[in-house]
Amino acid sequence: DQQVKQNSPSLSVQEGRISILNCDYTNSMFDYFLWYKKYPAEGPTFLISISSIKDKNEDGRFTVFLNKSAKHLSLHIVPSQPGDSAVYFCAASALYNFGNEKLTFGTGTRLTIIP
Amino acid sequence: DTAVSQTPKYLVTQMGNDKSIKCEQNLGHDTMYWYKQDSKKFLKIMFSYNNKELIINETVPNRFSPKSPDKAHLNLHINSLELGDSAVYFCASSLNYEQYFGPGTRLTVT
Repeated sequence: DQQVKQNSPSLSVQEGRISILNCDYTNSMFDYFLWYKKYPAEGPTFLISISSIKDKNEDGRFTVFLNKSAKHLSLHIVPSQPGDSAVYFCAASALYNFGNEKLTFGTGTRLTIIP
Repeated sequence: DTAVSQTPKYLVTQMGNDKSIKCEQNLGHDTMYWYKQDSKKFLKIMFSYNNKELIINETVPNRFSPKSPDKAHLNLHINSLELGDSAVYFCASSLNYEQYFGPGTRLTVT
């Protein structure tokens, strides 16, 4: 049962344009959402996050939008740059026990920026 | 300075062997994790330790045994390796929600 889904395995975007990566979730207990970026042969790197009490969080070229009623979040990258080419993972967090959080990851979207 | 480090980066071994992967973090975080990324690139949590105490154990076979000698280390020992154990294993640590990952260990069981 995949609780976090990224339905687009890949996405190609022209350099300078906007990249939009989507993520859907099914568990209403998720209270925090994160995006990670992963280059080949490296571990995932934290990019940006959003709490369930917000609907938008911005950090430079990266903006995450959360639509709780639709159980949907998206990552916008603008303008897209060649260095943004990577696999992007959406992750959601829910309280596990003893105050610890547990992350559930989506399957990732491979973003390719075309120069 | 590497925040979360893992050794080895690559591990090739035969079925039935026992192997260990080491993980160290120098971020001062209380919580450490092991994740498995399978052939379908699905990243799934295996274990979580908080201050050397096991918090999460996600129905991982008993052949996998994590060991945390101190807050900065979480090692993964695997007994009687099977073909299906071939994957990339990531260690991570966190202070709150944001987890910081190591570079991964690619385990190949032949």
